[in-house]
Amino acid sequence: NAGVTQTPKFRILKIGQSMTLQCTQDMNHNYMYWYRQDPGMGLKLIYYSVGAGITDKGEVPNGYNVSRSTTEDFPLRLELAAPSQTSVYFCASSFTDRPGYEQYFGPGTRLTVT
Amino acid sequence: DQQVKQNSPSLSVQEGRISILNCDYTNSMFDYFLWYKKYPAEGPTFLISISSIKDKNEDGRFTVFLNKSAKHLSLHIVPSQPGDSAVYFCAADVSGTYKYIFGTGTRLKVLA
Repeated sequence: NAGVTQTPKFRILKIGQSMTLQCTQDMNHNYMYWYRQDPGMGLKLIYYSVGAGITDKGEVPNGYNVSRSTTEDFPLRLELAAPSQTSVYFCASSFTDRPGYEQYFGPGTRLTVT
Repeated sequence: DQQVKQNSPSLSVQEGRISILNCDYTNSMFDYFLWYKKYPAEGPTFLISISSIKDKNEDGRFTVFLNKSAKHLSLHIVPSQPGDSAVYFCAADVSGTYKYIFGTGTRLKVLA
């Protein structure tokens, strides 16, 4: 099992450009999540999905969009990139949403917007 | 408002000694607390969790203690090893919200 994979690992965007961060998991998990981690801060939830075709906003969804057409893939779209979106982005998945469930994280995408 | 706080950004400990990482929270509705470990250029990995109805959970060298009256939890690592050097995040979960609230992390350095 590759677990949770994310591409690209690094990306530099100019202000106003758009891009898609890819996330794939091969564990057949229903639940998937996107987080961002700013320097010196904890992870903040951007969007999550409880299954194919179902997505919902997290704490910091503004400026992002997601889709979930398959169980495996959960891409995150940035439209009109802004410097405030400079961050490290982590995708995660989980088998269950029972209290205390473990989330499995990808290695992250480091994004810089200049 | 920071509902989960890790007030020590860093900690250094000698190999073989005990490492104690602390976490405070403000929301009494949290159901579960978890600790994640993160190495550079990798995603966080799950370490240990504790339910709000317990006060201790142990897994090998790792023990988490929960003091609900003080809204405080701590992670003890005994004995500490150089491979434990990483950033440790505590996280809290309110059942049914699909949202973990993460602390800002504590960087542990275990000195050989």
